[in-house]
Amino acid sequence: DQQVKQNSPSLSVQEGRISILNCDYTNSMFDYFLWYKKYPAEGPTFLISISSIKDKNEDGRFTVFLNKSAKHLSLHIVPSQPGDSAVYFCAASVGPPGGYQKVTFGTGTKLQVIP
Amino acid sequence: DTAVSQTPKYLVTQMGNDKSIKCEQNLGHDTMYWYKQDSKKFLKIMFSYNNKELIINETVPNRFSPKSPDKAHLNLHINSLELGDSAVYFCASSQDETSATYEQYFGPGTRLTVT
Repeated sequence: DQQVKQNSPSLSVQEGRISILNCDYTNSMFDYFLWYKKYPAEGPTFLISISSIKDKNEDGRFTVFLNKSAKHLSLHIVPSQPGDSAVYFCAASVGPPGGYQKVTFGTGTKLQVIP
Repeated sequence: DTAVSQTPKYLVTQMGNDKSIKCEQNLGHDTMYWYKQDSKKFLKIMFSYNNKELIINETVPNRFSPKSPDKAHLNLHINSLELGDSAVYFCASSQDETSATYEQYFGPGTRLTVT
């Protein structure tokens, strides 16, 4: 039972344009959401997070939007740069993630930013 | 300066063997984790330890035994390796959940191939 779904396995975007990566979840108890970026042969690195008390969180070129009623979140990257080419994982937890609260990951979306 | 390190990076072994993967973090974090990324790229938690105490133990075969000699180390020992154990194993660490920082820091992964 996959509770966090990233239905687009891949996405190609032109440099300078907006990249929108989508994520859906089924567990209504999830209230903390994270995005991780992963380059080949490396571990995932944290990008941005949002708790369910907000509907938007912004950090530089990265913005995460949360739509609780639709159980949907999205990551916007503006402007996209070639260095953003990576696999992006959406993740969620019930309560702030930590040793006692497991983080559930999606299967990832591979973003390619074309120069 | 490596934050979370794993050894070895690659491990090729035969069915039935016993092997260990080591993980060390120099971030002073309280919690450490083991994740498994299977062939479908699904990143799933296996174990988490908080201050050397086992906190999360997902439905993992008991052939997998984590051991935390101290807060900075979490090793994974696998007995009687099977073909289905082939995957990339990631170690991660994070601050205590009471901290404002919830992201997990991942190691580079260990690609285990069982032949």
